[in-house]
Amino acid sequence: GNSVTQMEGPVTLSEEAFLTINCTYTATGYPSLFWYVQYPGEGLQLLLKATKADDKGSNKGFEATYRKETTSFHLEKGSVQVSDSAVYFCALSLWIGANSKLTFGKGITLSVRP
Amino acid sequence: DTEVTQTPKHLVMGMTNKKSLKCEQHMGHRAMYWYKQKAKKPPELMFVYSYEKLSINESVPSRFSPECPNSSLLNLHLHALQPEDSALYLCASSQDLSGRSRYEQYFGPGTRLTVT
Repeated sequence: GNSVTQMEGPVTLSEEAFLTINCTYTATGYPSLFWYVQYPGEGLQLLLKATKADDKGSNKGFEATYRKETTSFHLEKGSVQVSDSAVYFCALSLWIGANSKLTFGKGITLSVRP
Repeated sequence: DTEVTQTPKHLVMGMTNKKSLKCEQHMGHRAMYWYKQKAKKPPELMFVYSYEKLSINESVPSRFSPECPNSSLLNLHLHALQPEDSALYLCASSQDLSGRSRYEQYFGPGTRLTVT
């Protein structure tokens, strides 16, 4: 079956620190990959995406590269801010019949200290 | 514009009440989704509508009844819920006719439901 594995959390960093959140996946097809972010009390926001191998998604200083050989999509940011404190979900999408279906990782909580 | 709106933002209901959650998108998306999210967990898929027809029902209890009146609107009718149904209910949409947004889903802010 399809699955997404994220590193265990929570993660606490100081402002301006470097961030890496690991994500690996197992899929029966050729998935698209996503990072979603959920701020406290809100819904999920699409942070970035990649639809094929070696694609790099980027947004708001965050980056992730689709690595087919290692089935990974690790999220990185060079300098985190307090406002980046949120829950981050890695996800894959595959067509199941006529629909695309998202499979999420467990999510990881990031807290950034001033 | 990638906005999905949901109303109400918060809802408290008793176990004998009937209520409805509403979701709207104006991105021309043809697939719409309902998810349930418990605290500190990822969203769990409940229903998928594709071109206004129910496409996927993830074995959801019949006390949850979805409805898609048109391509922009999605409702979730609630009846005789249990306290364990308290959660954040998220709506999402994807897949516009031009083929853009085929894979990613755009989520609304959610309705925080409490069943007493």
